[in-house]
Amino acid sequence: SQTIHQWPATLVQPVGSPLSLECTVEGTSNPNLYWYRQAAGRGLQLLFYSVGIGQISSEVPQNLSASRPQDRQFILSSKKLLLSDSGFYLCAWRPGGGSPPGELFFGEGSRLTVL
Amino acid sequence: GESVGLHLPTLSVQEGDNSIINCAYSNSASDYFIWYKQESGKGPQFIIDIRSNMDKRQGQRVTVLLNKTVKHLSLQIAATQPGDSAVYFCAENPPLSSASKIIFGSGTRLSIRP
Repeated sequence: SQTIHQWPATLVQPVGSPLSLECTVEGTSNPNLYWYRQAAGRGLQLLFYSVGIGQISSEVPQNLSASRPQDRQFILSSKKLLLSDSGFYLCAWRPGGGSPPGELFFGEGSRLTVL
Repeated sequence: GESVGLHLPTLSVQEGDNSIINCAYSNSASDYFIWYKQESGKGPQFIIDIRSNMDKRQGQRVTVLLNKTVKHLSLQIAATQPGDSAVYFCAENPPLSSASKIIFGSGTRLSIRP
């Protein structure tokens, strides 16, 4: 069966510090991968998605970046965090490779607080 | 479309009553829609989906209705229980040119009165 792991679960970082959130999927190949952000009491904002290694699509301008160094690994990074980067970050996957649309499977999330 | 900057609206329902949660989507060409349930501090969980060639789909205690004319989705929960308390999101899959994207609509917080 497929599983998705996301870490760290909780992170407190000072303004201006770097960020690295990691997500890995097991039990599948060539998944579509996604990073969403959710501010407190708000909806889900799509940040990045990837259909393959090294292929990253960005949805919103920001000081975050994403990378996909391996087929089932998706990393969210920042060189210098802003206060506004605080939020709940969710990684998700669904079958890729031209599969028909299907549900997204989410990780448990990473809560980032920037002080 | 995305309403990520808005505070979530709240729906309060008496335990045992039916709940109806509504959602407006943005792209008339979207071909696939999903409802998710998100409990506090957790990632969203799949509830039910529907493709654009259908108007209605039923699951266990849940029904999704799709009105493509007005770009509207609804989620009906029968005999609402305390465990149904959560935030509910609809999501759409834009047309084939952006087949990998899933865009979430504004969520609704469902609270259950005993």
